[in-house]
Amino acid sequence: EVQLLESGGGLVQPGGSLRLSCAASGFTFSSYAMGWVRQAPGQGLEWVSVISRSGGNTYYADSVKGRFTISRDSSKNTLYLQMNSLRVEDTALYYCAKDLVASGYYGAFDYWGQGTLVTVSS
Amino acid sequence: QSVLTQPPSASGTPGQRVTISCSGSSSNIGTTFVYWYQHLPGTVPKLLINRNDQRPSGVPDRFSGSKSGTSASLAISGLRSEDEADYYCAAWDDSLSGVVFGGGTRLTVL
Repeated sequence: EVQLLESGGGLVQPGGSLRLSCAASGFTFSSYAMGWVRQAPGQGLEWVSVISRSGGNTYYADSVKGRFTISRDSSKNTLYLQMNSLRVEDTALYYCAKDLVASGYYGAFDYWGQGTLVTVSS
Repeated sequence: QSVLTQPPSASGTPGQRVTISCSGSSSNIGTTFVYWYQHLPGTVPKLLINRNDQRPSGVPDRFSGSKSGTSASLAISGLRSEDEADYYCAAWDDSLSGVVFGGGTRLTVL
C-alpha cells in the first residue's frame, strides 16, 4: 500500500524557515517524480514544486521560486521542501504527492499524503 | 488568476450528465496532457483522469475526459450525491516550466 506521510509543518513568523518532509513507502520511490501541492484556507489547489526521479530536474511555481528548494533522498525514501523567507501568503496545507511519471510531463499525481499545515503569522 | 480557466460552480440532479470545462492555451493544454482531480470535503485530492481521457484503476466509467485544441472537459454521467466535490483540471505548461491548476469547480448535486 502506497503511503506518504508529511511532517514539519507548524507556526512560523514571516521571514522564517521550515523544512517539510514526506516519508514514502509502498512503492519504488526512486522510480517516480514527486511533488508538493498546497491549498490555502478557502482556496483551490496550487502546485508548488516537482522533482524528477533522479533529482536532477527541479521545477518551481513562480510564487516560491528562489525561496523554496525541493530535494529527495532515495536512501531514506524521503522527499523534502526547504522553505525560506516565508510569507503570510504561504500559509496553507502542504500535500506531498507521487507523480505517475519519472520525468517529462509532470502533474499526474496519483497518490497524496494527508498534508501538513504551515501557518505564517506574527 | 489561474492559468487554466474553469467555471467556479456547476450543478445537476441525480442521474443527470454534467460537464465541466477547462480552458488553457497552446503552452499547456494545447501541447501537453490534461489531468482531472476530484477533491471531496475532508479528503485528499484524487486523480480522476490521466492523460486527457484515461481513467486510473478504480475510477468509475461514469467519469470521462476529453480534449480539443486548448480546451478540455470532464463529463460525469449518472450523477450521484457522492459526486458532490471540487473538481480541478491541471496540465504541464511548457512556457512556465511548471504544473498549472485550474481554479476549481464546485459541483453541487441538487
